[in-house]
Amino acid sequence: DIQMTQSPASLSASLEEIVTITCQASQDIGNYLSWYQQKPGKSPQLLIHSATSLADGVPSRFSGSRSGTQYSLKINRLQVEDTGIYYCLQHYSAPYTFGAGTKLELK
Amino acid sequence: QVQLKESGPGLVQPSQTLSLTCTVSGFSLTSNSVHWVRQPPGKGLEWVGAIWSGGSTDYNSALKSRLSISRDTSKSQVFLKMNSLQTEDTAIYFCTKFSYWYFDFWGPGTMVTVSS
Repeated sequence: DIQMTQSPASLSASLEEIVTITCQASQDIGNYLSWYQQKPGKSPQLLIHSATSLADGVPSRFSGSRSGTQYSLKINRLQVEDTGIYYCLQHYSAPYTFGAGTKLELK
Repeated sequence: QVQLKESGPGLVQPSQTLSLTCTVSGFSLTSNSVHWVRQPPGKGLEWVGAIWSGGSTDYNSALKSRLSISRDTSKSQVFLKMNSLQTEDTAIYFCTKFSYWYFDFWGPGTMVTVSS
């Protein structure tokens, strides 16, 4: 199975700060990587797909990048509504695997 | 519009079998895959398994021996059956539609508690 190592596990940042979350894949997964945000009591919502493509309706301060088997989610100018838990997902091959999640809070 | 809704028993006794139903609308099961994802209380998301548009299935390696996913296309329903339930299976179970590159629509989830 492909392992997705996500870091950090938690993050506290200030308004307008730049935040970066990373996922390291245990093998090549190409661009078969998406990012989701989950708010308490809600279903996850898509932010980024195909490693770098912004989902419809997602603010442009969110962006995704890839360097080899390392994938990053960057939030420029953090806003209050960006708090929540973020997950990466590899869908290169089944069984699909999520990263462990990053809890993002405001400082 | 696309909708998914999970339904199930809520409470299951240890060692018993869990049966969940995902009822979908707004899309065809023969053209899209539906996946199950679960989330234990306070923990992260875990991919459980999938039924593909052609009817084949894939499962989480750790759950494979206890898990079965099937569907009834005439009723637009996907079913999850997991046997030999343990307390560690206590979780919110989500069904979600996969759109080639991402999970685009999710159900609200159904809480399953394994307890005697």
